[in-house]
Amino acid sequence: DADVTQTPRNRITKTGKRIMLECSQTKGHDRMYWYRQDPGLGLQLIYYSFDVKDINKGEISDGYSVSRQAQAKFSLSLESAIPNQTALYFCATSDSGQREVETQYFGPGTRLLVL
Amino acid sequence: LAKTTQPISMDSYEGQEVNITCSHNNIATNDYITWYQQFPSQGPRFIIQGYKTKVTNEVASLFIPADRKSSTLSLPRVSLSDTAVYYCLVGSGNTPLVFGKGTRLSVIA
Repeated sequence: DADVTQTPRNRITKTGKRIMLECSQTKGHDRMYWYRQDPGLGLQLIYYSFDVKDINKGEISDGYSVSRQAQAKFSLSLESAIPNQTALYFCATSDSGQREVETQYFGPGTRLLVL
Repeated sequence: LAKTTQPISMDSYEGQEVNITCSHNNIATNDYITWYQQFPSQGPRFIIQGYKTKVTNEVASLFIPADRKSSTLSLPRVSLSDTAVYYCLVGSGNTPLVFGKGTRLSVIA
């Protein structure tokens, strides 16, 4: 969805390096999420934020940190990258104001390779 | 969070109707059932959502029996472009949805 952008789209880094993945959205949604996906597997939730002052750990938060700089921006950091963090990372947004369970809108993904 | 179980993979020929069933035995009263579709190297995309009975949109139909312990996503007359992974999720708006491994649908010409 063009309303959710992720930068960079591809990144190669070395073990031990600190890297940041960024997500921006123009949908005006209050909720944002970070997922990782390993080849052939489903998505695993890393962190989520229901508003600017709210940050919550997901299923696999170890080794990651996040920052919600504004309603439209949610960044994911790997403080010291390791090879098993090689994966496809997706950012998603949703709107809590929807009448039913909100629909999540995903960005195009960031492919990360840690050597 | 209600856990879901769905087949790992399915094959179908073009033009056939495909039904993917998802089990969610411990679904809560406030939970909705949502299905997403994911193409390779893309993020998942919302397909359909329902609470009970039947829901239909331009892409698919969702059948939910009275006990709501399962649901079936129906894709009419699939084409090669429907080859994707389909995820069944159950939840309410209070907690984030959990994506399992999904069902990998392969459509064959």
